[in-house]
Amino acid sequence: DIQMTQSPSSLSASVGDRVTITCRASQSITNYLNWYQQKPGKAPKILIYAASSLQSGVPSRFSGSGSGTDFTLTISGLQPEDFSIYYCQQNYKIPWTFGQGTKVEIK
Amino acid sequence: QVQLQESGPGLVKPSETLSLTCTVSGGSMSGYYWSWIRQPPGKELEWIGYIYYSGSTNYNPSLKSRVTISVDTSKNQFSLKVNSVTAADTAVYYCARLERDFHTGSYSLADWGQGTLVTVSS
Repeated sequence: DIQMTQSPSSLSASVGDRVTITCRASQSITNYLNWYQQKPGKAPKILIYAASSLQSGVPSRFSGSGSGTDFTLTISGLQPEDFSIYYCQQNYKIPWTFGQGTKVEIK
Repeated sequence: QVQLQESGPGLVKPSETLSLTCTVSGGSMSGYYWSWIRQPPGKELEWIGYIYYSGSTNYNPSLKSRVTISVDTSKNQFSLKVNSVTAADTAVYYCARLERDFHTGSYSLADWGQGTLVTVSS
């Protein structure tokens, strides 16, 4: 299985901060990488697909980059509603796998 | 945007079969892949498998021997069965619709149900 490792596991940030979350795959997944946001008690929501494409309706402060094994999710100007857990997910090879999540908390 | 809703028993006894149904509304199932994902309490997400509207499937090898996903497009539903459950199968189970990016061929879990907690306990 392809292992997806996110860093950091958690971070504290303030409203307005620029936040960067990293996801590393155990082998190349080209750009078959998605990012999701999950709030407590809710289903995940797609933010970024194919590494860098913004899902329709998602605010432009979210952006994704990377290819191969290293990927980044950036939130430019953190908003109160962005405090959540973020997951990366590869769909390059079965079984599709998720990262362990990054919890973004209020400083 | 389609809506998805999971339904089924919230409590299943060890060694029995977990059965869930996902009802799709606001759109057709035709032309799409449909998936099940689960999340044990406080843990990360685990992909279970997917089914095409025509019935072809793909499963997580770690669960393949115990899992069956089926579809009934006449009812706009797809279902999950997990045999011989143990406490390790306790999780929130989500159903989702897959979206394919035609530029890259990449798939994403575009629409999700709210999830349903299934507890395995005697």
